[in-house]
Amino acid sequence: GAVVSQHPSRVICKSGTSVKIECRSLDFQATTMFWYRQFPKQSLMLMATSNEGSKATYEQGVEKDKFLINHASLTLSTLTVTSAHPEDSSFYICSAKDRTGGTKIVSSYNEQFFGPGTRLTVL
Amino acid sequence: EDQVTQSPEALRLQEGESSSLNCSYTVSGLRGLFWYRQDPGKGPEFLFTLYSAGEEKEKERLKATLTKKESFLHITAPKPEDSATYLCAVDSWGKLQFGAGTQVVVTP
Repeated sequence: GAVVSQHPSRVICKSGTSVKIECRSLDFQATTMFWYRQFPKQSLMLMATSNEGSKATYEQGVEKDKFLINHASLTLSTLTVTSAHPEDSSFYICSAKDRTGGTKIVSSYNEQFFGPGTRLTVL
Repeated sequence: EDQVTQSPEALRLQEGESSSLNCSYTVSGLRGLFWYRQDPGKGPEFLFTLYSAGEEKEKERLKATLTKKESFLHITAPKPEDSATYLCAVDSWGKLQFGAGTQVVVTP
């Protein structure tokens, strides 16, 4: 249980194009989803927090006009990397937090469950 | 400023050789300490949540403990399939702050 999926798992694009990554909670409802970026040999860095039906909150240093986040439903959040450049190449991972009092799957509303990640390569 | 520090950076173990990973933290108002396992090219897999000093949780060969300043992840009689990067994170005002991780390699 508590499964989070991401699509695509891997994407290669040309510099200047935009790429959309989807994050879905498959068996629970997530009022909050998070987007992380992970560079090789480094840990996860939070980019933004996404709440269903409201604007995302971005971490310091993350350009909100470059990384567009939409959280249109309780099971779907999307991250669009606009005008991607080679330095945007990274491993992007989303996570979802179960609603308080939600499914029986999770034991605590504080737990975040992660997707499998999307490897973005910008040529 | 909240900080999470994991040690060692890397650990190489023989199969069956038990060891411990350390996660020390400073955070204003701990709302939970989390352990995750991450395999190469994959997202983190949830292992444990600890909330208060003295708490312990176990899952197969893994046992996590928590004090007011640090957490330990004990690996008992590890197997090669336990090879992974183990990440520690603290919940800081609803957001997870991760340590750099400990890469564990277990050889047969």
